[in-house]
Formats: sequence, C-alpha cells, structure tokens
Amino acid sequence: EPEVTQTPSHQVTQMGQEVILRCVPISNHLYFYWYRQILGQKVEFLVSFYNNEISEKSEIFDDQFSVERPDGSNFTLKIRSTKLEDSAMYFCASSDRQVDEQYFGPGTRLTVT
Amino acid sequence: AQSVAQPEDQVNVAEGNPLTVKCTYSVSGNPYLFWYVQYPNRGLQFLLKYITGDNLVKGSYGFEAEFNKSQTSFHLKKPSALVSDSALYFCAVRDLRWGGATNKLIFGTGTLLAVQP
Repeated sequence: EPEVTQTPSHQVTQMGQEVILRCVPISNHLYFYWYRQILGQKVEFLVSFYNNEISEKSEIFDDQFSVERPDGSNFTLKIRSTKLEDSAMYFCASSDRQVDEQYFGPGTRLTVT
Repeated sequence: AQSVAQPEDQVNVAEGNPLTVKCTYSVSGNPYLFWYVQYPNRGLQFLLKYITGDNLVKGSYGFEAEFNKSQTSFHLKKPSALVSDSALYFCAVRDLRWGGATNKLIFGTGTLLAVQP
C-alpha cells in the first residue's frame, strides 16, 4: 500500500539555524500539506500546496517558513531561522482530490535547543 | 468558524465491550468529517470519513461512525473493543471556508482510548 514518507525522523538543531524537512507524498496525489503537533497539543494546519503554489496558509506559517516541490516526488518544508517554539512533530500529508481523506506521514520530530 | 469538539480527554473501556468516542462539530455548510488514530510515536492513520450518503459509515479495524446532523455529532464506535485499539483518536472536519484547491483539516483535541484486558 502506498504511503507518505518523511525524513529525517528526528532533527535536532540550534536556535537560529535553518532546517529542511523532507516528504515524499503518495505518487499520484495532487494536494500536499504540512501540519504540526506541539507535544500534548492538537494537530495544527500550516500550509496546503496545489499546482506548484501555496493554496492556503495559517497564521503560524510566517516569513520564516517556506515550502517547495523541487521535483516530481519531494515536498519540503524549510524553516529559515528556528526558534525554541518551533519544536514540534511536523507531519506531511497528501490527498488525491480535494474532498478525499489526507494520508499522513510518520512525522519528523524537530527539537530546537 | 469551523470547529471540532471532543469532550472527553480519555475513555476507558474493558476489552470486549462496545466503545464510543464522541465528537461534535460546527460548520457553516455541509461538513466533511474524518476520524484518525495515532499510536505512540506514530503518524496519523485514517480510519473513516463522512462526505455524504448513509449516516453510518464503516472504516478500518471494525470501527464505524454515525453522522447525526440534528445533533451535529460524529461519534466513533466499535461493537467490541480490543486492547490493541488503545491509542489517541482525533476527529477532524474539513474547513469549507475556502473553495477551490484547499482542503485544510481542523482537528479536535484528541481522546485517549484505554482498553483494559
């Protein structure tokens, strides 16, 4: 069964450093998303991406965040200058159609020290 | 604003007994509703969805959910709980504020299901 994959599983970085989180969505899916889950809190939407552009972003997704689909398979989330409060589990998801369920990857745990 | 409420932080049930995990929603139009399960240190796994049609939807691992429009509820159910069902369950609603190509999910706070042997 196809699945969303994410690398790395755990990333530790120092405050102020740039990080890139990588995702490979399910191959025939057209819609891509990033969510995050701070420890003990609910899952929060960050951004959605369709047709090579951002289709919606949340208030969390400020100028420090960016997304890219550099090729036909990868989907990345970049945080330019990490803050302590960026520490969270970051989930990538994809869906085939707009109304379909989203399939989530296993997540990348980002720890900012 | 679209929102989802899961009123119970934790549900305890004995193995073999039926279980219910509650979810209520608030949307401006027709809701697209989903249930996901999260096992420790794992991602979110899709269980089932309601888009339209029959109010009782069946999903993975023997779970089902009943859509009740008048009560704005979408409770998750299973006739006979297993210890392996112990996990964190999230209800989610699709945000219908945006048309076009967006599909933002709004999640509830999650309900921890503990099934005792």
